Amino acid sequence: GAGVSQSPRYKVAKRGQDVALRCDPISGHVSLFWYQQALGQGPEFLTYFQNEAQLDKSGLPSDRFFAERPEGSVSTLKIQRTQQEDSAVYLCASSQDRAPSTDTQYFGPGTRLTVL
Amino acid sequence: DAKTTQPNSMESNEEEPVHLPCNHSTISGTDYIHWYRQLPSQGPEYVIHGLTSNVNNRMASLAIAEDRKSSTLILHRATLRDAAVYYCILNGQGAQKLVFGQGTRLTINP
Repeated sequence: GAGVSQSPRYKVAKRGQDVALRCDPISGHVSLFWYQQALGQGPEFLTYFQNEAQLDKSGLPSDRFFAERPEGSVSTLKIQRTQQEDSAVYLCASSQDRAPSTDTQYFGPGTRLTVL
Repeated sequence: DAKTTQPNSMESNEEEPVHLPCNHSTISGTDYIHWYRQLPSQGPEYVIHGLTSNVNNRMASLAIAEDRKSSTLILHRATLRDAAVYYCILNGQGAQKLVFGQGTRLTINP
């Protein structure tokens, strides 16, 4: 079956440009997560949605980062006025949200963002 | 979030068993132990999870110490495709996000 898909897979932006990264979760999955992974590091949590509600955005590094999931399915992570430190792989994951402690998160392949 | 400690790297040979350790001395009673792995250029993928008892699935086994302060992920017969970074993660009751550490980079020699 279809897994989590992300687009684009690679994005190069000039410093100061705005970018939008898309995530298509597994159909029917209630929960959606965004993570940021710097080179050589483990993924770090950015934000979490339950359906269309953004319940946790504690990991967003600045107000330049904005995420939405307006219809409870597809999600977009937007980064305004990109900076070089935003260069990373952005991972999206979804889960069924049956039981938070034991839910499996299914990850997409990520979008590699390079800011020049 | 409770913290886990893993070796930075490990190396093994193809078709041999691999034991990946994880220490979590501050684990609470409601924390589940999850393992994910990340193959090169891919997103992480779920491997296994457990609470108190040892667990087996088609990918691996999870051995949990009696005091739950440590656990070991066991790959029974490593293949080259098992080369990845393995993450041991504690997930407490009500938690949603996964908190990844540095993980263990596993190299498999042919």
